[in-house]
Amino acid sequence: DSGVTQTPKHLITATGQRVTLRCSPRSGDLSVYWYQQSLDQGLQFLIQYYNGEERAKGNILERFSAQQFPDLHSELNLSSLELGDSALYFCASSVADISGNTIYFGEGSWLTVV
Amino acid sequence: AQKVTQAQTEISVVEKEDVTLDCVYETRDTTYYLFWYKQPPSGELVFLIRRNSFDEQNEISGRYSWNFQKSTSSFNFTITASQVVDSAVYFCALSEARYSNTGNQFYFGTGTSLTVIP
Repeated sequence: DSGVTQTPKHLITATGQRVTLRCSPRSGDLSVYWYQQSLDQGLQFLIQYYNGEERAKGNILERFSAQQFPDLHSELNLSSLELGDSALYFCASSVADISGNTIYFGEGSWLTVV
Repeated sequence: AQKVTQAQTEISVVEKEDVTLDCVYETRDTTYYLFWYKQPPSGELVFLIRRNSFDEQNEISGRYSWNFQKSTSSFNFTITASQVVDSAVYFCALSEARYSNTGNQFYFGTGTSLTVIP
């Protein structure tokens, strides 16, 4: 158990809908990351937050948004969902924002868009 | 260009055999960090090891060992006496210090799927 908590674990929704994935980082970790893992794209970095501020952005679609709240939990919002958004979405956390910090992953949220 | 290359897409071994998973990385930095993660069939990503570029000592943890060679830009992972529970996808990753002011960016390889046959 990494200490990173993600909900929901599984989600099935229809195209065009909107979903929110939630993440609680490990106790004491200030930085949160979101990754998408699909069969054809591998592990894709989406976005990173540190203490509530956005720090780095990866291949995150405009239909997706995220935020980190004052209590350090984070949410990833996915809207206007398409079939291709079906994937395993990981949240990860690290103590700080310093390069080389180990990032610990949650168990992931399996999203299926039908 | 890929910063982390895991050329072995899939490997199958018979239980109790040793297996080495290759990882080759590319960076111009002198300070960087290398990682291995394990993703079992259940899906979670489990951290295995972190190594910084100044520490070339090989590491052993039980049946797992890691061979870091800067001369060949490789950070290979060996499982000794493999077991069925070792069946998973293994990812190698790189974090470069030069990006320290733009977040903690990780570059993941495409993973090696290991199947241990009983």
